[in-house]
Amino acid sequence: ELKVEQNPLFLSMQEGKNYTIYCNYSTTSDRLYWYRQDPGKSLESLFVLLSNGAVKQEGRLMASLDTKARLSTLHITAAVHDLSATYFCAVAFYGGSQGNLIFGKGTKLSVKP
Amino acid sequence: GAGVSQTPSNKVTEKGKYVELRCDPISGHTALYWYRQSLGQGPEFLIYFQGTGAADDSGLPNDRFFAVRPEGSVSTLKIQRTERGDSAVYLCASSQGQGQPQHFGDGTRLSIL
Repeated sequence: ELKVEQNPLFLSMQEGKNYTIYCNYSTTSDRLYWYRQDPGKSLESLFVLLSNGAVKQEGRLMASLDTKARLSTLHITAAVHDLSATYFCAVAFYGGSQGNLIFGKGTKLSVKP
Repeated sequence: GAGVSQTPSNKVTEKGKYVELRCDPISGHTALYWYRQSLGQGPEFLIYFQGTGAADDSGLPNDRFFAVRPEGSVSTLKIQRTERGDSAVYLCASSQGQGQPQHFGDGTRLSIL
């Protein structure tokens, strides 16, 4: 069964602190995505990770991928209130005719002053 | 428009009624996806079109759900004999092809009374 597990599901942080969100997946994948979703809004693409050891950074967010461990991390550096949102990882499985993404349950991040 | 457009943005109807949800993908995108997102959960895959044909409909929950994309552009998700459990946000995404990043619309919030 294809599974994507994120932890933690809820994260309350103080501004200025660092933290990491983890994403584990159950089988070989072609690529892994991180999305951000604000309340009542759609999903905004943050990162696409294509290969083992891939690391991408945008502002205070950095994502990495370890395909051997089937693990991706989203690291938050010196959090600010504007980062408050729900973050999803999603894994693409392209065996056969599948083109869909399998999403984790999301990590709801709240950054407090 | 530049992005994926979904209409209506909100739909409220009574149990047992028929509904149609529309998705207008990004121009030139050959792949189109439908997902369903329940409160507090990640999006769940429903169906994927490559051109006019449904390449993978394994996520449709039962035969009350059906989707078409007759000209390879706009798609309509149809739900017959709606049930309260169908209440969710229905998201549409499009991409340039299989394996390319998926761009999401704002979704249709469906409420079954």
